[in-house]
Amino acid sequence: DAKTTQPNSMESNEEEPVHLPCNHSTISGTDYIHWYRQLPSQGPEYVIHGLTSNVNNRMASLAIAEDRKSSTLILHRATLRDAAVYYCILVWGGGADGLTFGKGTHLIIQP
Amino acid sequence: DTGVSQDPRHKITKRGQNVTFRCDPISEHNRLYWYRQTLGQGPEFLTYFQNEAQLEKSRLLSDRFSAERPKGSFSTLEIQRTEQGDSAMYLCASSALAGGVSRRSYNEQFFGPGTRLTVL
Repeated sequence: DAKTTQPNSMESNEEEPVHLPCNHSTISGTDYIHWYRQLPSQGPEYVIHGLTSNVNNRMASLAIAEDRKSSTLILHRATLRDAAVYYCILVWGGGADGLTFGKGTHLIIQP
Repeated sequence: DTGVSQDPRHKITKRGQNVTFRCDPISEHNRLYWYRQTLGQGPEFLTYFQNEAQLEKSRLLSDRFSAERPKGSFSTLEIQRTEQGDSAMYLCASSALAGGVSRRSYNEQFFGPGTRLTVL
């Protein structure tokens, strides 16, 4: 499986934008970039995914580099509820097989 | 709440005992996944079902682990002769299989709250 690299932790202030980076230099042409997050004491939840173009939804935006070797999850206005571990995951062909999680980025939000 | 549910939420057992966990997926979802998560790590994939068929098993799933989904609805995960290393959070997820060629249909996975297993 192609691997992703994320910082172990990041800190941000409430109501400010947060940019969470992910490197995936060995990504293949058919790998989709997915982001999930896991709030404390909960199971992971889907955030967003994309292939080549930038994507927006109600939770976040996903900016994908032109060479697709990196991507950035953008939380436009962080709240305390966004404090979680964020996982960047590559999924082959957009298929529905088991997900390969790394350690993710622990996002800390300061009030 | 029509999300994924898991039972029990917590289980404490003694080494050598058998345990069984249950997962009820979202009703219209035909794919069901099991993951294991230890402290400080991301979830690790164990196995998944499409309807009642078990399509993939991770090498992490030793012979002591068995999963079933007999009627394509709820699933059970049994661990026989538990060991202290089995202590972890066991997560279940489900997804809906969209139309078209299955491997090319992305489907968001919805996770349950997990069952925390402690083996003494």
